[in-house]
Amino acid sequence: AQKITQTQPGMFVQEKEAVTLDCTYDTSDPSYGLFWYKQPSSGEMIFLIYQGSYDQQNATEGRYSLNFQKARKSANLVISASQLGDSAMYFCAMREIAAGANSKLTFGKGITLSVRP
Amino acid sequence: DGGITQSPKYLFRKEGQNVTLSCEQNLNHDAMYWYRQDPGQGLRLIYYSQIVNDFQKGDIAEGYSVSREKKESFPLTVTSAQKNPTAFYLCASSKRNEQFFGPGTRLTVL
Repeated sequence: AQKITQTQPGMFVQEKEAVTLDCTYDTSDPSYGLFWYKQPSSGEMIFLIYQGSYDQQNATEGRYSLNFQKARKSANLVISASQLGDSAMYFCAMREIAAGANSKLTFGKGITLSVRP
Repeated sequence: DGGITQSPKYLFRKEGQNVTLSCEQNLNHDAMYWYRQDPGQGLRLIYYSQIVNDFQKGDIAEGYSVSREKKESFPLTVTSAQKNPTAFYLCASSKRNEQFFGPGTRLTVL
């Protein structure tokens, strides 16, 4: 079964507007972590934000926030005030803690975001 | 500065040759990982190591081999047994909730 699902087609957003990138996940482990990464055309993977399954509040990092809905098993990334430099692929990933603190990440297939001037 | 280095950035090899991709980190991270990415796709785990002298197969380990003799280094060998080795290879390391990536090596087999 697919553990991380990112089904949106290529997303477009106007500069300075907010955009939400969807991610749903599937796990039976009560303890897990959710990650979002940005991959620009250069290929590097840039860590954006992390949400632990037991965290009481939604994670925020600057213009990035994570809309974590545990019961729905969704972890959507919200980018506020989009910038042209936000154009990239975005990947959602999950780590199941039961497998160990340094266990592997499982990645979704990614979403392409294009910011229009 | 602390980080992960991968060399070279671009690598070309003839079919049938083994090739070793370098990955070094000075973040003092215990765990290291190798991922493969094909065009327009997500990352798939090849091998990972949670501690020196120990490593585990990931989802697509066939045709690859690794070693972990030092904490800082986790080289990946792409062998001639790998049927379709042309891809972008990313190395990562982690400690607790952080996982950071190197810049990647783009391997093309001719």
